[in-house]
Amino acid sequence: DADVTQTPRNRITKTGKRIMLECSQTKGHDRMYWYRQDPGLGLRLIYYSFDVKDINKGEISDGYSVSRQAQAKFSLSLESAIPNQTALYFCATSDPGTSGRETQYFGPGTRLLVL
Amino acid sequence: SQQGEEDPQALSIQEGENATMNCSYKTSINNLQWYRQNSGRGLVHLILIRSNEREKHSGRLRVTLDTSKKSSSLLITASRAADTASYFCATESNDYKLSFGAGTTVTVRA
Repeated sequence: DADVTQTPRNRITKTGKRIMLECSQTKGHDRMYWYRQDPGLGLRLIYYSFDVKDINKGEISDGYSVSRQAQAKFSLSLESAIPNQTALYFCATSDPGTSGRETQYFGPGTRLLVL
Repeated sequence: SQQGEEDPQALSIQEGENATMNCSYKTSINNLQWYRQNSGRGLVHLILIRSNEREKHSGRLRVTLDTSKKSSSLLITASRAADTASYFCATESNDYKLSFGAGTTVTVRA
């Protein structure tokens, strides 16, 4: 979805390095999410934010941190990358509004390889 | 932990045939959604069915939900090569987050 962009699209880094993945959205949604996808495991939630002042841990937050710089921007950092953080990372947004339905809109993903 | 589990893990069909995949989940839900993912790309929302609904249609897609069995099915009729993708169910519970299954990979042969 072009309304949700992620940079970089691909990244190779070394063990111990700090890296940041960025997500921007033009949908005007308050809610933003970071997931990682591993083969055979589907998507797992890392962190989520329901508005600029709200940050919450997901099911696999260890080794990650996030920053919600603005409504439109949500960054994911790996403080000290390790090989088992090699995965496909997705950012998503949603705006349940009055319907209460949590339909999410995904970015194109960032493929991260940690050597 | 993941809430939904899809079955089968992989499915190969001939163009024009129907494809059916199932999703089972563990706890009560507000709604269940299906998403499609083309290889290496982001997920795209297909259809949402609420917990008080039993069946829903959208174009060639038909979704059923049986809350007593905690299961859902997605049927794609008259499949096309462009339907080749992975399909994920996602459940929304009272915490307003989505929990995704591991997906079903569908291959449509020409």
